[in-house]
Amino acid sequence: KNQVEQSPQSLIILEGKNCTLQCNYTVSPFSNLRWYKQDTGRGPVSLTIMTFSENTKSNGRYTATLDADTKQSSLHITASQLSDSASYICVVGGSARQLTFGSGTQLTVLP
Amino acid sequence: GAGVSQSPSNKVTEKGKDVELRCDPISGHTALYWYRQSLGQGLEFLIYFQGNSAPDKSGLPSDRFSAERTGGSVSTLTIQRTQQEDSAVYLCASSPRGAGALAKNIQYFGAGTRLSVL
Repeated sequence: KNQVEQSPQSLIILEGKNCTLQCNYTVSPFSNLRWYKQDTGRGPVSLTIMTFSENTKSNGRYTATLDADTKQSSLHITASQLSDSASYICVVGGSARQLTFGSGTQLTVLP
Repeated sequence: GAGVSQSPSNKVTEKGKDVELRCDPISGHTALYWYRQSLGQGLEFLIYFQGNSAPDKSGLPSDRFSAERTGGSVSTLTIQRTQQEDSAVYLCASSPRGAGALAKNIQYFGAGTRLSVL
């Protein structure tokens, strides 16, 4: 069964600090891995998309890494801001119709 | 509008009633997805439309759920005889083509419809 597991489930950090979110997956076939940010009451918004051959992708203060051999990905947030408080969802794309979603990491950034 | 639009944003209904949820995708996007998000849970795939192909209904949880996409654009998700366990946020997304395999094919999500079944 295709699965995407994220850790931690929730995380609280102080503004200005860095943090790293983890994603492990068992999805076959594998095509791409995405990280989404979902603000409360909003739909998810794409942050990064990586294919099998890419092992890092940055979007501003967000940097995603991918190790396709170990089937692990991480999302690193640098110099966190209050607006980073959200749920971060790891999504793995397989065949043309298949996207498997993780249950997300709820990040809270405190002043 | 520029994004995916869903209506209503909130829907409260009584158990046993039917509800219709609407999704207006981004113009020109051929792929449209419906997902369900229960409190504290990941997104659960419901149904996928791609162009004129037969929809992938493999995620629909029961025959009370159905969806249509008219003219390759607007989609409606219908839940008949609603149950309390149907309470969730229903999210619609569109992408230029099928988002799964095509790495640069970004999904764009609507804000969702929050359904509460009393």
